[in-house]
Amino acid sequence: QVQLQESGPGLVKPSETLSLTCTVSGDSISNYYWIWIRQPPGKGLEWIGYVYFSGGTNYNPSLKSRVSISVDKSKNQFSLELTSVTAADTAVYFCARSGSTSSLLGYNWFDPWGQGTLVTVSS
Amino acid sequence: QSVLTQPPSASGTPGQRVTISCSGSSSTMGRNTVNWYRQLSGTAPKVLIYRNDQRSSGVPDRFSGSKSGTSASLAISGLQSEDEAYYYCAAWDDSLNGWVFGGGTKLTVL
Repeated sequence: QVQLQESGPGLVKPSETLSLTCTVSGDSISNYYWIWIRQPPGKGLEWIGYVYFSGGTNYNPSLKSRVSISVDKSKNQFSLELTSVTAADTAVYFCARSGSTSSLLGYNWFDPWGQGTLVTVSS
Repeated sequence: QSVLTQPPSASGTPGQRVTISCSGSSSTMGRNTVNWYRQLSGTAPKVLIYRNDQRSSGVPDRFSGSKSGTSASLAISGLQSEDEAYYYCAAWDDSLNGWVFGGGTKLTVL
């Protein structure tokens, strides 16, 4: 059974870069879409972006200028970088996998999810 | 303001049937399917329903999903205390070229 685990610093200073890694176990990173989602404290969910196992990416337009997602198949990991962070980027960050290998993203979903990691932006 | 609209709260008594609505647009639900996620307090969301009406593995048949036009709904029958959670709908948005979520509905079992 595939499992995902986020890792990275829990505290980032304003204007710096937030970097997180998601380690995939129980299966290889292949044929699926690998996704980042975040949830500010007490608020709803926001899709950040995804990377396909071959390296193709797509980002939320609201974050596109600051975000980068990459995949490292040799380590079975994918990563998130978010630059120039502010307090508004404080959130629990989740990694997830697409539920299906289908390239018809309108018919896809998120399953499974990692447990999430809280990142606080503060000096 | 979320692209998909859900009521902020819903409630019911044990054994009752409740429904949670999710309203979208032609760019979200017009051609795309709707997924429902449940988030228990302090945990990661988990998929309940995918592709409008498909129950995820292990989800009891008390949970059902449907979609009609640009609206979808999640129905929970035989309500149980452990159903207290936040429920989110989500769909692909052709205009955004990405996924969008509803604002979430907090379900309370009275």
